[in-house]
Amino acid sequence: AQSVTQLDSHVSVSEGTPVLLRCNYSSSYSPSLFWYVQHPNKGLQLLLKYTSAATLVKGINGFEAEFKKSETSFHLTKPSAHMSDAAEYFCVVSHQDDKIIFGKGTRLHILP
Amino acid sequence: EAQVTQNPRYLITVTGKKLTVTCSQNMNHEYMSWYRQDPGLGLRQIYYSMNVEVTDKGDVPEGYKVSRKEKRNFPLILESPSPNQTSLYFCASSGNWNYEQYFGPGTRLTVT
Repeated sequence: AQSVTQLDSHVSVSEGTPVLLRCNYSSSYSPSLFWYVQHPNKGLQLLLKYTSAATLVKGINGFEAEFKKSETSFHLTKPSAHMSDAAEYFCVVSHQDDKIIFGKGTRLHILP
Repeated sequence: EAQVTQNPRYLITVTGKKLTVTCSQNMNHEYMSWYRQDPGLGLRQIYYSMNVEVTDKGDVPEGYKVSRKEKRNFPLILESPSPNQTSLYFCASSGNWNYEQYFGPGTRLTVT
């Protein structure tokens, strides 16, 4: 069975400093992995996805994530946080013929 | 404009009164899903459909029904709503299980 664990429910960083949002997954097969962002009172938007091509995936707004099979991790990073990055972030795992599993989310706070 | 629409956007109802939330997409997508979002729990998949007339249970299907008679529509039915189904509901569609999902604007349901 698949599962996703987002290791921090809240992360606070200062504007201009790096962001790290951690995600570990469990899957019996080769999964597809995604990060979505949800700004307050808004819908969900795809940041990036991994589907067995390059292990370092670049997304929108300067975010990237690295797929590490040995560690079953797919952590999201950004070199320099901006105030507009304040939002909730979801790590998602899916594979063929099975349900899609969302993590419980990490709320990112940006301190001025 | 490519989009997923949901109706109604807000609904307050009473326990036991059957209701339907409609979902429609105009992108000719094969895969459609329903999720509920609750604080601290992320999004949980209720049902999904990989094609017309093909539906499967997600993580939290109890108390819900779906149908997929046409490719573009995927209504969510609550035959006898209960207060624990008070939640924010999202419909989503994608080309396949490993493609980006496009989300509707959400339906906020309150059952009293």
